[in-house]
Amino acid sequence: DGGITQSPKYLFRKEGQNVTLSCEQNLNHDAMYWYRQDPGQGLRLIYYSQIVNDFQKGDIAEGYSVSREKKESFPLTVTSAQKNPTAFYLCASSIWRRDTEAFFGQGTRLTVV
Amino acid sequence: QQQVKQSPQSLIVQKGGISIINCAYENTAFDYFPWYQQFPGKGPALLIAIRPDVSEKKEGRFTISFNKSAKQFSLHIMDSQPGDSATYFCAASKGGSQGNLIFGKGTKLSVKP
Repeated sequence: DGGITQSPKYLFRKEGQNVTLSCEQNLNHDAMYWYRQDPGQGLRLIYYSQIVNDFQKGDIAEGYSVSREKKESFPLTVTSAQKNPTAFYLCASSIWRRDTEAFFGQGTRLTVV
Repeated sequence: QQQVKQSPQSLIVQKGGISIINCAYENTAFDYFPWYQQFPGKGPALLIAIRPDVSEKKEGRFTISFNKSAKQFSLHIMDSQPGDSATYFCAASKGGSQGNLIFGKGTKLSVKP
């Protein structure tokens, strides 16, 4: 089945540690995105990538880093510099052109303990 | 600065009733307005979308109404069912690129049997 896969579903991190969230897609989409979702806040864009080896900061990139070494993969690292990392993280992908649907993964819930 | 304002934050409707969610935007450069539906613990999925050259778009029980002069658009769910209970997000983008997709804060809809 084609789709976008995020892992793990739940993740616990100690304060001061970096953690990497995985996102893989087999839809052959050029564009991939990371969003953060907090209760009552909607979805806020962290980073996006249009092509391999290129990515752009979104609205809340501070404390996060990404890489795009393969078309299928767009991992997100939550660094210790992120002040409030506990949230639901969503990865998405789409064809990079006008008016196209974004397909979302099932999300990773990160909790700092 | 919130570019897309969504209301209400939560909505309770009886089965068979009409659910109405409203969104307003400021940026006249926006030209693509999708609605996403999200069930608990899942990623959002595209429900229906509209461009500003039409005033209404209907897909089954779901209708988008668009008022360009007022910079407002709304989602109407006719004959609401308990299975429609979810969080709904409006969004807007300029140039159709998902990297510029701006989400509202969401409306949690509960349809009572």
